[in-house]
Order: sequence, then C-alpha cells, then structure tokens
Amino acid sequence: GAGVSQSPSNKVTEKGKDVELRCDPISGHTALYWYRQRLGQGLEFLIYFQGNSAPDKSGLPSDRFSAERTGESVSTLTIQRTQQEDSAVYLCASSFGGGVNQPQHFGDGTRLSIL
Amino acid sequence: GQQVMQIPQYQHVQEGEDFTTYCNSSTTLSNIQWYKQRPGGHPVFLIQLVKSGEVKKQKRLTFQFGEAKKNSSLHITATQTTDVGTYFCAGPRSGYSTLTFGKGTMLLVSP
Repeated sequence: GAGVSQSPSNKVTEKGKDVELRCDPISGHTALYWYRQRLGQGLEFLIYFQGNSAPDKSGLPSDRFSAERTGESVSTLTIQRTQQEDSAVYLCASSFGGGVNQPQHFGDGTRLSIL
Repeated sequence: GQQVMQIPQYQHVQEGEDFTTYCNSSTTLSNIQWYKQRPGGHPVFLIQLVKSGEVKKQKRLTFQFGEAKKNSSLHITATQTTDVGTYFCAGPRSGYSTLTFGKGTMLLVSP
C-alpha cells in the first residue's frame, strides 16, 4: 500500500506491561512523527525523526516512553510499565522532508487500552 | 509553551447552513496547516497557508490567513453530511521544526 501503516490496530494490555507500537512510513518520506490522541482530544506531539538527525524527543511525557527509527524506514514506539493514563490512540505520520511546511500523512493509529 | 487555540470546540448545524472555525496564536506564524479527521479516522491534510492575508478555496471550503499571521479561519458554505468530522489547525512550534495542533472543532451536520 502507499500509505502510512501502523500495527497493531488495537492493543489491550494490563497495567504495568510493556508495549511496542510499529509504524511503517510512506516510502521516500524522510520525516516521521508520533502523536498521542486521547478520546475527544487534539493531537499531542511525542517525537520527531528527520533523516539522520538526532530525534526531537521534546514531547515524550515521561522516561517510560521511547522510540527508535531504523534509517528512514520503520519506527517503533515503546511504552514501559504502562499506566491507565497511557490509554489513547497513537498516531504516526510521515512527510516528504522535515520541517513545518510539509504536509503530514497519517496512519490509522494504534488504539491502546490499559486495563 | 506556544499554543494554537481553536474555537468553537463543537458546532452542530443543519445541512445547508454555513460553518466557520477559528484558529488563533499569540505569536506570528510562518505558516498554518488545516487537517480534517472523520469520526474513527485519521487526520487528513487539507491545505497550507503561508502568505499574510492569503485566501484559498477548495469547492465549498474557504481558508483565510490573517494579515498579522496570528489567526486563520476555515469557512464551509452550505454544509453537507459529508463535512462531519473534526477540523484541526496546526502551526509551527516556536523554536522547533515541528507543528503544534489546536484541539480541533468538531462539526456535526444533521440532515
């Protein structure tokens, strides 16, 4: 497919467990973003990768959150020791080139539910 | 931190009525983007405005960027049920290479 692909689409886990979310950006897109969207809320920026530059981690809410990206391809967002407040939809987006002028293309998100 | 404020949070209109959502920033923005998110869907890019006083149209949608580049609006003429969703504006985060999104305006259209 040509779009941003995220997996799993849904994840239910118990409080305290670790979770790993995956994002496959559009081929050729050098920039990749992770956002968190709580129910009925806006998009909360988490982290930004652009090419080989150091990632912008300024939006990560705590040290339980981390993300990796392999080159200009797949990214994984890891949440350790999950808490109930981590329940949300996690959206990944990619863009052709970084910066604030590029349109972002979003995946369908991973709906994370912490019991 | 720098924020982009959107009003109203929610609007319910009858099909055929007009709709406007407003986006305001306390600082000057180099550009502003608008996205639409259908219920259960993901945000989809609509348009970007860059110039002071810029006006762009997409069929029944009219986008404006204020003269001072601190505010923007999206106006929909004669709404249709297909316009249902949440409309987000996004502007550059001060000091960063990323965008900050407004909280969105949820539009509900009754037939």
